[in-house]
Amino acid sequence: SQQGEEDPQALSIQEGENATMNCSYKTSINNLQWYRQNSGRGLVHLILIRSNEREKHSGRLRVTLDTSKKSSSLLITASRAADTASYFCATLFQTGANNLFFGTGTRLTVIP
Amino acid sequence: DSGVTQTPKHLITATGQRVTLRCSPRSGDLSVYWYQQSLDQGLQFLIQYYNGEERAKGNILERFSAQQFPDLHSELNLSSLELGDSALYFCASSPRPGAEETQYFGPGTRLLVL
Repeated sequence: SQQGEEDPQALSIQEGENATMNCSYKTSINNLQWYRQNSGRGLVHLILIRSNEREKHSGRLRVTLDTSKKSSSLLITASRAADTASYFCATLFQTGANNLFFGTGTRLTVIP
Repeated sequence: DSGVTQTPKHLITATGQRVTLRCSPRSGDLSVYWYQQSLDQGLQFLIQYYNGEERAKGNILERFSAQQFPDLHSELNLSSLELGDSALYFCASSPRPGAEETQYFGPGTRLLVL
């Protein structure tokens, strides 16, 4: 499968703690994007990181990309109950289909 | 609210039937994508249209077809439905066709095939 894989599959933390989710993929990418999905709802784009970038920030989000290890991580700092959702990485590969491949997702629960 | 609308929100039908899902992209977006999300397969890309033309094809079954109309809305037709077609179907749109574009997702249509 060309899909990325998120790790862990599920994560439960207390409000105020940091949450880290990881994404691994198999072939060279053009970019990697993170999306969020509230239960049964549509996905919301969070951040895009290009293959020549190593780190990117957006508010309480920090994304890193290590192309040598074919992995990315999403860090959410000072988590809030409203951050409870599923988080997906999506990759655009350098060759082949010009569409995004979504990973399996990490289900984050932030306990108030 | 992403600006992408999908109808209907829920659809319950029987095996062997045919249904049509409708999507209206954000104002100004020319590209439309269809995805299927199920528990066992995850989020799978089905097909993409750009300005009325098919742009990319993913794991779309032959029983499924789609089109994008001159007013840029899109329809996904699912025929000879099977139990395994039960899933959430999402439409997304972007201004241009490149996969580097941020995709804006609609709320989805939940299809249940009984």
